Amino acid sequence: AQKITQTQPGMFVQEKEAVTLDCTYDTSDQSYGLFWYKQPSSGEMIFLIYQGSYDEQNATEGRYSLNFQKARKSANLVISASQLGDSAMYFCAMKSLSGGYNKLIFGAGTRLAVHP
Amino acid sequence: DVKVTQSSRYLVKRTGEKVFLECVQDMDHENMFWYRQDPGLGLRLIYFSYDVKMKEKGDIPEGYSVSREKKERFSLILESASTNQTSMYLCASSLGGRVGNEQFFGPGTRLTVL
Repeated sequence: AQKITQTQPGMFVQEKEAVTLDCTYDTSDQSYGLFWYKQPSSGEMIFLIYQGSYDEQNATEGRYSLNFQKARKSANLVISASQLGDSAMYFCAMKSLSGGYNKLIFGAGTRLAVHP
Repeated sequence: DVKVTQSSRYLVKRTGEKVFLECVQDMDHENMFWYRQDPGLGLRLIYFSYDVKMKEKGDIPEGYSVSREKKERFSLILESASTNQTSMYLCASSLGGRVGNEQFFGPGTRLTVL
């Protein structure tokens, strides 16, 4: 069975500091992709970053980076230099070959609060 | 920019009513999805469609049906709304096939069934 686990229901961080949001996944597929989405209070899901299972380097997008540890099946999101606008729900998600590369499986999410 | 729109941001319906949630995307995506989001459960897939008139059940299809008559439009139907269908409903679309194709989401519809 495929599963995404986010063990931190809530996190807080001081503005300008870095924060790591945890994500572990379970799949028997060799080919899969991992995604992080941000959901502000407005409700819309915003794509942040993607990591493919065969990618040799960790993905980075601006202040976002993905700490991909394949053997441990973890794909943690690192946000550097946190800003007040980073306060939101963050979801880790996965799709894989057995899902036809179409269906996303989501974790329960982590609510991040950035304090000034 | 990809745009996914949903017909309503907020909707209040009564138990037993038939409810239609509409979703439109403007980027010619093959795939469209309906999710419901509940606190502590993340997003759960209700149905998805990979082509016009084609659909596939997701993880929680019971009590829902869908319709895709045109490529850009994907409708979610609650045949007889019940209070346990009170939730946030999110529509998404994506290109097909490649694992790296992200899904683009609409703003969501918060449905309350009284």
